Amino acid sequence: QQQVKQSPQSLIVQKGGISIINCAYENTAFDYFPWYQQFPGKGPALLIAIRPDVSEKKEGRFTISFNKSAKQFSLHIMDSQPGDSATYFCAASIRNTDKLIFGTGTRLQVFP
Amino acid sequence: ETGVTQSPTHLIKTRGQQVTLRCSSQSGHNTVSWYQQALGQGPQFIFQYYREEENGRGNFPPRFSGLQFPNYSSELNVNALELDDSALYLCASSSRREIYGYTFGSGTRLTVV
Repeated sequence: QQQVKQSPQSLIVQKGGISIINCAYENTAFDYFPWYQQFPGKGPALLIAIRPDVSEKKEGRFTISFNKSAKQFSLHIMDSQPGDSATYFCAASIRNTDKLIFGTGTRLQVFP
Repeated sequence: ETGVTQSPTHLIKTRGQQVTLRCSSQSGHNTVSWYQQALGQGPQFIFQYYREEENGRGNFPPRFSGLQFPNYSSELNVNALELDDSALYLCASSSRREIYGYTFGSGTRLTVV
């Protein structure tokens, strides 16, 4: 019940295309859902985050869609660029803690 | 404003040995969390320190221990190293006022042989 399931494991997208990564959870105590971007040899960096009281959040080319009833959330990267090539992790945090439960990651490759 | 710095960047240890990893938190951050990231996996929460005391622990055995110092820097100690301890160890700092504002360091790559 503490897990966050992430798919796909890897994704190949052409430059200018849309990248979509999906996550699902079971624990209704989760109240914060961030996405992290990680480049090789670096730690994860916060990309965008959402709380369950909104269904969508957009920051530049990055959008989180959140479906509370389905317990699913997804990251959309519009106009994907080669510089977006990285591993993306969804995560969730349990209410009143700041412990993050991470998904297993999606390796995104954007080709020119 | 400096970010989170971790040392060393890489480390090779023999099974059964002990290791200490170090983390300097970002300026203004008083909470430090440690995560273990196995190859090809997402980070797993080890524990968190706030005001020099452990404030939450994940599913890791007692041979994983830590310290936080008055300047908010932190150490992760692992005793009796096992081959499965080989991973990237990440430190993240945050402020209690914005508990979700994690800043991760680049990690220490530990290899146990």
